[in-house]
Amino acid sequence: NAGVTQTPKFQVLKTGQSMTLQCAQDMNHEYMSWYRQDPGMGLRLIHYSVGAGITDQGEVPNGYNVSRSTTEDFPLRLLSAAPSQTSVYFCASTLDRNTIYFGEGSWLTVV
Amino acid sequence: GDSVTQMEGPVTLSEEAFLTINCTYTATGYPSLFWYVQYPGEGLQLLLKATKADDKGSNKGFEATYRKETTSFHLEKGSVQVSDSAVYFCAPPYGNKLVFGAGTILRVKS
Repeated sequence: NAGVTQTPKFQVLKTGQSMTLQCAQDMNHEYMSWYRQDPGMGLRLIHYSVGAGITDQGEVPNGYNVSRSTTEDFPLRLLSAAPSQTSVYFCASTLDRNTIYFGEGSWLTVV
Repeated sequence: GDSVTQMEGPVTLSEEAFLTINCTYTATGYPSLFWYVQYPGEGLQLLLKATKADDKGSNKGFEATYRKETTSFHLEKGSVQVSDSAVYFCAPPYGNKLVFGAGTILRVKS
């Protein structure tokens, strides 16, 4: 049981490039979400999903896309990276919104 | 809607000092309440929880009591250690959007 696995852990992108942050969980959780964490801003919800085939926007969805084709995977796509997207990204999942399990984070720098 | 208000940091304490981080909530009904902790370079992890009024959650020397009358869930520890330096999040009552606040940074000096 690996929990929530995020890849890559570190990434440097050039402005305008696209990339996908991967998130997978092996706990059969229906609910998954993506956050970004910036100094002094806490965690901000980007997108979330309440089950396969269902996604919705969080607080800061612009510039990001998600899909949920399986229960296990919830990738986050940056369509055209901007320096404002430099941040630490966390994926999370929960079965019943009781205990939330977080990945270890992905550090993204856009230059 | 349901929400929490958490005291702002950073909080700086000397080792063995007493810690209180305030958290108050507004919610319909009496939801379960949670504290999460984030150590440097890591994701958040559940620290403790309480599922009903007057419940006390505890873990690693931390405690929080679910007080219905004051709608509070303050985090306390009698004697902090340098290893407790982290960011602490009072988690909001849950809906579909699991929105966290900024958290409270705790710095413990030796």
